[in-house]
Formats: sequence, structure tokens, C-alpha cells
Amino acid sequence: GAGVSQSPSNKVTEKGKDVELRCDPISGHTALYWYRQSLGQGLEFLIYFQGNSAPDKSGLPSDRFSAERTGGSVSTLTIQRTQQEDSAVYLCASSRSGVTDTQYFGPGTRLTVL
Amino acid sequence: DQQVKQNSPSLSVQEGRISILNCDYTNSMFDYFLWYKKYPAEGPTFLISISSIKDKNEDGRFTVFLNKSAKHLSLHIVPSQPGDSAVYFCAASSPAAGNNRKLIWGLGTSLAVNP
Repeated sequence: GAGVSQSPSNKVTEKGKDVELRCDPISGHTALYWYRQSLGQGLEFLIYFQGNSAPDKSGLPSDRFSAERTGGSVSTLTIQRTQQEDSAVYLCASSRSGVTDTQYFGPGTRLTVL
Repeated sequence: DQQVKQNSPSLSVQEGRISILNCDYTNSMFDYFLWYKKYPAEGPTFLISISSIKDKNEDGRFTVFLNKSAKHLSLHIVPSQPGDSAVYFCAASSPAAGNNRKLIWGLGTSLAVNP
């Protein structure tokens, strides 16, 4: 059964480098979410894609963060000029349609910025 | 400003006893509440939800209670099992313009069920 998959599972990078994190949602799910969880913190909403609507980017912490969702399926979260405070687990989730539908999470990408 | 608060970062319970995880919220517009469970190195998984038109929802060993006047909800697990040891997140949602609902998450409570 195809759940939400994310790659890479772990990423170590140097401060100042760009990183790309990938999310493959469950087939047919129109809604896709990116969250991050820093050490000792809860889930922080980053961005939400719903079908063909303009994404809700209200959670992106700075303009170094951007995300795309191509063809309504795969999504890429890009962090430019990474900083140490970007170190966190980045989680992707998808749901059948809106927020009141169950969100299915991927295993996350652990990003470490040295 | 935390709109969804889980004031107990951790909870320890004996196997077979009841686990009660609490969640408080500040936004009276929230009308949908969920609990997710997270094991280490995995993404959260949905556990149970409740709409604001109800005050209780039960699914097997898991029951969620909602007290709207107190802006409080709780998750009861009975009987608790060692496999229930995980971090439990409370999340809430309010209607928004269009289809732009978001889930607001608490910081989580780490539950340890001891054999």
C-alpha cells in the first residue's frame, strides 16, 4: 500500500547551502501539507496545497523557504541558504480533500545544518 | 501564542490503568478537534476526532471528551497498554474563508505506559 513517502530520510548540510526535500503524497489526495518539528517543539505548519487553489504559505518562516507542487502530486520544499535554526524534522502529510479529512503523514526528513 | 495547549509534556501510567491526556484551547471558533499519535522516527498517525456538535466520541479503548464551555478536551485510553507509549498531539481547526482551514497543533504529551 502506498502511503506518503519522503526523501531523503536524513540530510546533513553545511550552513549556507540550499536543500530540497521531496514528498510523494497518497495517490488521489488533493491536499498536501508541510510541517516541521524542531527539537522539543510541536508541529509547526509551513504550507498547505489544496487542489488547484493558491497555496496557503502563511506558515513559511522566511523567504528562504519555498515549496512547489507539480501536477497536483509530488511536492518539493526548498530551503535556501540554510541556517542552523532550520535543523528540524520536516513532515509532509496529505489528505483526501480538506483539513477535516484525516491527514496521513510521511516518516519525515531529518535536516541537520552544521 | 499557543492557541492549543497541552500543558503536560509527559505522563506515566501503569499498564491496565486509565491514561488521561488533556488539551486546552483559546479560540472559541474551533469546531473540529483531533488527536494524533506519534512514535519515534515515524510521522503522526490519526487516532480520533470530535466535532464541536458532540461532547464525546468513542473508538475502542479511546474516548475523546469535549467541554466547549471550558474550552477543554481530553483523551482517555483505557485500559492502557505498553504499545500506547508515544507522543500524543492535540489539534484543532476553525472554519475559514473558502477551503482554507488549517490545523493548529499542540506541543504534544509524551505518554509512557509501564508494564
